[in-house]
This record gives sequence, C-alpha cells and structure tokens, in this order.
Amino acid sequence: AQSVTQLGSHVSVSEGALVLLRCNYSSSVPPYLFWYVQYPNQGLQLLLKYTSAATLVKGINGFEAEFKKSETSFHLTKPSAHMSDAAEYFCAVRLQGAQKLVFGQGTRLTINP
Amino acid sequence: ETGVTQSPTHLIKTRGQQVTLRCSSQSGHNTVSWYQQALGQGPQFIFQYYREEENGRGNFPPRFSGLQFPNYSSELNVNALELDDSALYLCASSRTGTETNEKLFFGSGTQLSVL
Repeated sequence: AQSVTQLGSHVSVSEGALVLLRCNYSSSVPPYLFWYVQYPNQGLQLLLKYTSAATLVKGINGFEAEFKKSETSFHLTKPSAHMSDAAEYFCAVRLQGAQKLVFGQGTRLTINP
Repeated sequence: ETGVTQSPTHLIKTRGQQVTLRCSSQSGHNTVSWYQQALGQGPQFIFQYYREEENGRGNFPPRFSGLQFPNYSSELNVNALELDDSALYLCASSRTGTETNEKLFFGSGTQLSVL
C-alpha cells in the first residue's frame, strides 16, 4: 500500500524567503504525485502533479516540485514567499489506474512579515 | 474556484442520526469521489462513483453509502452517526476516460458536527 509522510506539521518563513515543504512517499510502483493547497474554509486546489514525465514539475503561483526516485521524495519549493501563500499544503500519491488519492497529514505554512 | 458545489456548508447532528450530503460535479465530469477530512488531518478516501455505481472504496464501514445520479451529481449518506464522524466532507469530481482523469476538482466541503 502506498503512503505519504510530510515532514513538519508547521513551517514558518519570512516574506521573501525560500519555501521548502517536504514530502516522502512509499509505493511499490512508480506513482503519480500531487501537491494541493487548502485555504481556510475552502476545498483543495491542485498546485502541481507528477505523472512520470519531467522530474521537475512547475505549478501555479510560482511553486515547483522535484521527483527524486532514489530518495522517494517530492518536495515543494518556492523561491520567494508571499503573504498570500499562507495556507495548508497536502502532498498526495495515487497509483496508476487506482481510484483514490492518499494524502499526507498536511503542513501549515505561515508567512511572517 | 471550481464548479463543484456542495450542500449544506455546515450541519449539526446528534449521535445516532442519519445525514445526507450533496454534491454537484463540474460540468463535463462523470466521476465523483468523496473524502473525509478530520480536524488536523489529511483527507481520507471514502469512495468513488462512476456511471452511477461505486467504483472503489476506502476503509469506511457500510453505514457510509452513496449514490450517483444520471446528471453525475452525488449524495453521501451516513447512518447511525458517531462522534468521530465529525469532519469536513469533501466531494471531488473528475472526468474518467481522458488524460486529465488524474485531476480532481474539489468542492469547499460540508462541515459536519456530531454532538
């Protein structure tokens, strides 16, 4: 069975600083990987996805993530944090042909002015 | 903002009662998935409906059931509510059969409180 571990339930960075949110996955076969963002009182919005094409994936709002098979990681980065990036971020995995997404516990990102 | 709408937005029930949550999928989407998100946790897959039939189920008891209608909208029914059923219930729609079937569009959810 596949699983996702997000390291750090809460990350705090200063405005303009690098954002790094960590995600490691466990899967017996190469999975599809996703990052979602959730703003207060809203549903989940897809930031980016990896589906076995390029290992460096660019998403919306300046975010990107790199798939590293050797490290079973899919960390999310953004070079310069903005106040509007404050939200909950979820990493998720799905096997090809499977119906369900398996989510991590989430990381709450706080941006300090 | 997606075209997935859920109703109601908030709901308060007492233990033992039954509840029905509703979801209208985005235009052109034929698949609906339901997720439960407990406070401070990531969403957990409940089940998925495609062509009006259950097409996959997570680790939830039979008192969680669903329906999908010909217009692809969906209902989630929970019987014999328990306190641990208190959570945000998210509906997500997608289109099975195309390259974009990996992309789920989520609604804003229904916040269920069981007292």
